Amino acid sequence: GNSVTQMEGPVTLSEEAFLTINCTYTATGYPSLFWYVQYPGEGLQLLLKATKADDKGSNKGFEATYRKETTSFHLEKGSVQVSDSAVYFCALKGNTPLVFGKGTRLSVIA
Amino acid sequence: DAGVTQSPTHLIKTRGQQVTLRCSPISGHKSVSWYQQVLGQGPQFIFQYYEKEERGRGNFPDRFSARQFPNYSSELNVNALLLGDSALYLCASSLGRGGRTWDGANVLTFGAGSRLTVL
Repeated sequence: GNSVTQMEGPVTLSEEAFLTINCTYTATGYPSLFWYVQYPGEGLQLLLKATKADDKGSNKGFEATYRKETTSFHLEKGSVQVSDSAVYFCALKGNTPLVFGKGTRLSVIA
Repeated sequence: DAGVTQSPTHLIKTRGQQVTLRCSPISGHKSVSWYQQVLGQGPQFIFQYYEKEERGRGNFPDRFSARQFPNYSSELNVNALLLGDSALYLCASSLGRGGRTWDGANVLTFGAGSRLTVL
């Protein structure tokens, strides 16, 4: 079945540091890939998506590239801010309901 | 425009009781999905409804049921509550019925959730 594996947290970074959160997936066919973010006490917000191989999703300085050859969709940001502190979920969707990874908690300190 | 709204936001129940959670989708969205998020885990799919019909069911016991109304709002019911049912219950809506997301029609927009505590 479809599954998502993402790096375990928590990840603690200083402000303006470079962020990478790894995500790999297992799926049949050609799923769409997503990153969702969950701020403290809130629901999930779609951060970015990519629907086919080599697509790059981007939003709010975050980027992720759909790599079919490595079945990966790593999240990156060049310079994190305190306001980026949240839990980040990688997810995939084919002809099945959305499947999430376990989430990676990011804490950014000033 | 209003997003996906859920009620109640927080509730506390005791073991064996029943609970009903409510969800109003974004205007124009005909599909509603329910997810359970246990603390420290990613959301797990429970149900999807489209045009008032069940389109998918996750690996949850029969104590969990749902329905969708003519105005596309939805209710999730859980009977005979167990301690392990304590979780954040998320509702999500989309335009489409749940296939691939080429054009964004099946991208899910989530509500803030209903946090259920079972004592």
